[in-house]
Amino acid sequence: GAVVSQHPSRVICKSGTSVKIECRSLDFQATTMFWYRQFPKQSLMLMATSNEGSKATYEQGVEKDKFLINHASLTLSTLTVTSAHPEDSSFYICSARAPGHANEKLFFGSGTQLSVL
Amino acid sequence: DQQVKQNSPSLSVQEGRISILNCDYTNSMFDYFLWYKKYPAEGPTFLISISSIKDKNEDGRFTVFLNKSAKHLSLHIVPSQPGDSAVYFCAASDGTGRRALTFGSGTRLQVQP
Repeated sequence: GAVVSQHPSRVICKSGTSVKIECRSLDFQATTMFWYRQFPKQSLMLMATSNEGSKATYEQGVEKDKFLINHASLTLSTLTVTSAHPEDSSFYICSARAPGHANEKLFFGSGTQLSVL
Repeated sequence: DQQVKQNSPSLSVQEGRISILNCDYTNSMFDYFLWYKKYPAEGPTFLISISSIKDKNEDGRFTVFLNKSAKHLSLHIVPSQPGDSAVYFCAASDGTGRRALTFGSGTRLQVQP
């Protein structure tokens, strides 16, 4: 299957700092990537759709100025949590579709556990 | 409003027996369904999927059944193995062209040796 790499796997930061999470498609090009968030014992909630070369599409209730998404190349999307606060502590996961697979099938990165102190 | 529901947060099964995980959905526009397996602090991995034009799809020990009229699908694992212990998420695609997946809340499966 296709490989999606996400980095870092875990980050602990102080309140007010910004954190950047990288998502890379290693063996395929991804024009679209999806960013999800999961709170403990809850479902994966779609935050935004990242489109290569254009602006990201955010889900209702997700602040675009707080969660900056950049998809500058066909293999890299980044999510920056700006001025992080403890309530932003969560598990963030990126995903992408890969050529040769069903459109609906998403491949996920390994996730990033963000803890804001 | 949760469009994909997994009403059982946990399930415990003996090794060798059948595990049945259930999922209900409310959006009639969903036309493709997937099951993902997830371990703590890891991303979900794809397990099996089914299109709405089918009512059953089988892959080794895993079978997914879809009942469109009831808006219900289930994942059967037989025989269950201790390595199957994980959280299983049901997901659905709505065919709008955006193709983002909507996930259920997950069911934690524990297979007892």
